[in-house]
Amino acid sequence: QLQLQESGPGLVKPSETLSLTCTVSGGSISSSSYYWGWIRQPPGKGLEWIGSIYYSGSTYYNPSLKSRVTISVDTSKNQFSLKLSSVTAADTAVYYCARYFWGSTSAFDIWGQGTMVTVSS
Amino acid sequence: EIVLTQSPGTLSLSPGERATLSCRASQSVSSSYLAWYQQKPGQAPRLLIYGASSRATGIPDRFSGSGSGTDFTLTISRLEPEDFAVYYCQQYGSSPMLTFGGGTKVEIK
Repeated sequence: QLQLQESGPGLVKPSETLSLTCTVSGGSISSSSYYWGWIRQPPGKGLEWIGSIYYSGSTYYNPSLKSRVTISVDTSKNQFSLKLSSVTAADTAVYYCARYFWGSTSAFDIWGQGTMVTVSS
Repeated sequence: EIVLTQSPGTLSLSPGERATLSCRASQSVSSSYLAWYQQKPGQAPRLLIYGASSRATGIPDRFSGSGSGTDFTLTISRLEPEDFAVYYCQQYGSSPMLTFGGGTKVEIK
């Protein structure tokens, strides 16, 4: 059964870069029908899509975050990663990684448990 | 960017009642790319409905989705205690771009 697990620092200082990794287990990140995405949720608020990546490295980002976001993939480790630069308190959120199936229809069908990241000095 | 507006913000109902949740898009959305998720406190969202009306694996048939164009609906035919949660709609559109609605909380009356 496919599982996703986020990892990374839970505390990041303002103006620094947030870095998270999502490890995929129980299946291959190189499956042709899937993208892999990052979604975040500030405390008490709704969901915001950050961006997605295909195993080939093709990416697409939320335009509101595009200037600060880099998503990369390491197929040898079955992982994909998120970097968000110049963070502020507004970037404090639970960060989720998720699998996005793509074809005649699409949705995020498998999610990691999420990791809380706090931006504070 | 397509904006998804969910209503009502909060729905107060009793177990056994019918819940009707709305998701309205600022411009037409392909039904193929409209999904619904359920989120309980402290948990990740769970996919309920994709393609506007197809239930995801393991989702009970009391959950159903419908709609097209700019108006979509999630219906829970008879609320079970475990159904009290927050529900989000989500669409994939051109650019490409994914957006979520602001959510509807279904609470126990």
